[in-house]
Amino acid sequence: GAGVSQTPSNKVTEKGKYVELRCDPISGHTALYWYRQSLGQGPEFLIYFQGTGAADDSGLPNDRFFAVRPEGSVSTLKIQRTERGDSAVYLCASSLGGVYNEQFFGPGTRLTVL
Amino acid sequence: GENVEQHPSTLSVQEGDSAVIKCTYSDSASNYFPWYKQELGKRPQLIIDIRSNVGEKKDQRIAVTLNKTAKHFSLHITETQPEDSAVYFCAAILGNAGNMLTFGGGTRLMVKP
Repeated sequence: GAGVSQTPSNKVTEKGKYVELRCDPISGHTALYWYRQSLGQGPEFLIYFQGTGAADDSGLPNDRFFAVRPEGSVSTLKIQRTERGDSAVYLCASSLGGVYNEQFFGPGTRLTVL
Repeated sequence: GENVEQHPSTLSVQEGDSAVIKCTYSDSASNYFPWYKQELGKRPQLIIDIRSNVGEKKDQRIAVTLNKTAKHFSLHITETQPEDSAVYFCAAILGNAGNMLTFGGGTRLMVKP
């Protein structure tokens, strides 16, 4: 079946602009996670949804970052007033929920802020 | 804060040799430890995982060991092949951190033919 998909695969924007990154999880997966991966580092947690609600958003770096999952499936990560330090690969993962179920990752969106 | 430390950052082995990557974690309540393989420009993919109530798990050439007392876990790859070359990340679900993964910094494994 189809895996986790993310669009766009690449996004180049200018400092100060607004961007939206989209994640389509595996069908039936109730849990959805956003991570950010900087070059040469491991992914860092941003936010986690269980169904439609954000179960934990403690990883969002500041209030410029926001994410939604209105129907419990597709999620959008929104970044306002982008800064050069936001440049990274943004990874989405989904799972059946719970601690022990595998998190399946999408291919990521590479965001470059000029 | 709670974190996961991973060593070494790079590892070069000859084809056919074994490779070992080690991780330590700080939260004794951590209960799930997956390992992901990430090839250049690709998504992380789970290769093996272990739960806190298990000391060792093996899947063909790959094994993971967990020492809860010492709070460390290791990935063992035997009979390495060139296609094992990638970046490997350990991760943990920390005890009080919900279901999100905390990743180590990664190990770049290079298998020389």
